[in-house]
Amino acid sequence: GAGVSQSPSNKVTEKGKDVELRCDPISGHTALYWYRQSLGQGLEFLIYFQGNSAPDKSGLPSDRFSAERTGGSVSTLTIQRTQQEDSAVYLCASSLEAPTEAFFGQGTRLTVV
Amino acid sequence: AQKITQTQPGMFVQEKEAVTLDCTYDTSDPSYGLFWYKQPSSGEMIFLIYQGSYDQQNATEGRYSLNFQKARKSANLVISASQLGDSAMYFCAMREGADTGFQKLVFGTGTRLLVSP
Repeated sequence: GAGVSQSPSNKVTEKGKDVELRCDPISGHTALYWYRQSLGQGLEFLIYFQGNSAPDKSGLPSDRFSAERTGGSVSTLTIQRTQQEDSAVYLCASSLEAPTEAFFGQGTRLTVV
Repeated sequence: AQKITQTQPGMFVQEKEAVTLDCTYDTSDPSYGLFWYKQPSSGEMIFLIYQGSYDQQNATEGRYSLNFQKARKSANLVISASQLGDSAMYFCAMREGADTGFQKLVFGTGTRLLVSP
C-alpha cells in the first residue's frame, strides 16, 4: 500500500479481554515501531523491529504486552488481560534502514471499559 | 536520562510572526539523525524536517528550518511566517547509530503551538 495501515481504527474492549492490533508497514521498510499515546501526551516507545535483528522490547510496560512481526512485514501488537490504563492511541510507524523519516499510520484508538 | 528534551509545554505566536520551538538531545553516538514532526488535532503524525549529525548546513524545508547547534546538542525548529494551520503539537525526535546500525526513534514530550490571528 501507499502508506502505513493500522487496523482496527477503533477498538472498544472489556477489561480483562485480550486485543490484537495490526500494522501493515510500507513495502520495503525494514524498521517498524510501535508507540502508545495517551490523550494530550507524548509518544511512549513500546517496541522496535529492525530487519532480522532481535527486537528492542525495552519499552513494553508489562508482560501483558507482546508484539511480533511476521516475514519482516506485518506486525501484531497483543495486549492480554486489558486494563483501563491501557486505553490510548497505539501508533505504528515504519522506515527504511537509512537516515530518513519514519512514516506513521493513523493509529488504533483502544478504549478499555 | 532523557534522550530528547522539549522544555516548552506550550507556545503562543501571532500569525505571520516567526516562532522557535526548543529541543535538546543527549547522545554519545557521533552518528544520529534529528527529526521534527507535527501532530494536528486530527492525530496524524506529519514529518517536517530532518537533520543529520554530519550535515554541515542547517536543514530547511519551506517555512521550516532547523537551528542545529551540535556543540550545544540543540536542534530548535524555527517556523517563519506562522499560519493559523500551524497550530498543533510539535515533537522532536532522534535516531542514533547511523554508522553502526540504527536504533529506535525516540521522541520528546512535545510543544503545543497556538497561532492567533
